[in-house]
Amino acid sequence: DADVTQTPRNRITKTGKRIMLECSQTKGHDRMYWYRQDPGLGLRLIYYSFDVKDINKGEISDGYSVSRQAQAKFSLSLESAIPNQTALYFCATSDRPGQGGGTQYFGPGTRLTVL
Amino acid sequence: GQQLNQSPQSMFIQEGEDVSMNCTSSSIFNTWLWYKQDPGEGPVLLIALYKAGELTSNGRLTAQFGITRKDSFLNISASIPSDVGIYFCAGLRGGSNYKLTFGKGTLLTVNP
Repeated sequence: DADVTQTPRNRITKTGKRIMLECSQTKGHDRMYWYRQDPGLGLRLIYYSFDVKDINKGEISDGYSVSRQAQAKFSLSLESAIPNQTALYFCATSDRPGQGGGTQYFGPGTRLTVL
Repeated sequence: GQQLNQSPQSMFIQEGEDVSMNCTSSSIFNTWLWYKQDPGEGPVLLIALYKAGELTSNGRLTAQFGITRKDSFLNISASIPSDVGIYFCAGLRGGSNYKLTFGKGTLLTVNP
């Protein structure tokens, strides 16, 4: 079984709808991240969490919110989806700092299309 | 945000050829990572480098952490069709040790 899973893998929705993307991990890592990927722009950090009670904004947090329900679960919400949020979304996890601790492991991604 | 300078942007090679790609930065990194991404999938970690000068292999892949800590390269030997994909470098600084800085990727196409 995959260490980092994301649901759904694909989603098509309409402008104005609320959408939640979910991420679960079995790696036992404390740190979790949400990225979006757009052609030509690479991976950009949306939010990150260092533990259950810690939430931090990344480079492009506007229009998004997150919830860290447990060590293993980190969800991303789009409160009112708009077409320019159409992208590939990736969840990632990493261990605490230290040798190898910063290495991030990615989920398979969610392809979101907002019409 | 800051990007790593990754080159080449794309490569089109024949099966069996060796491939080399690299990343450079004006800043020092404590960790260099190389990922491969297949279309519609998430980046998969290939090699992680934690010490300046470190040379690490993973099958036909070899990567090195530059001695200046500002660069890294990835070599693929005897390429095969399943090597097709986008290869990303990523760097981690010390201190906060959370934010990956990514290269823009190298698109590799292997002609059978």
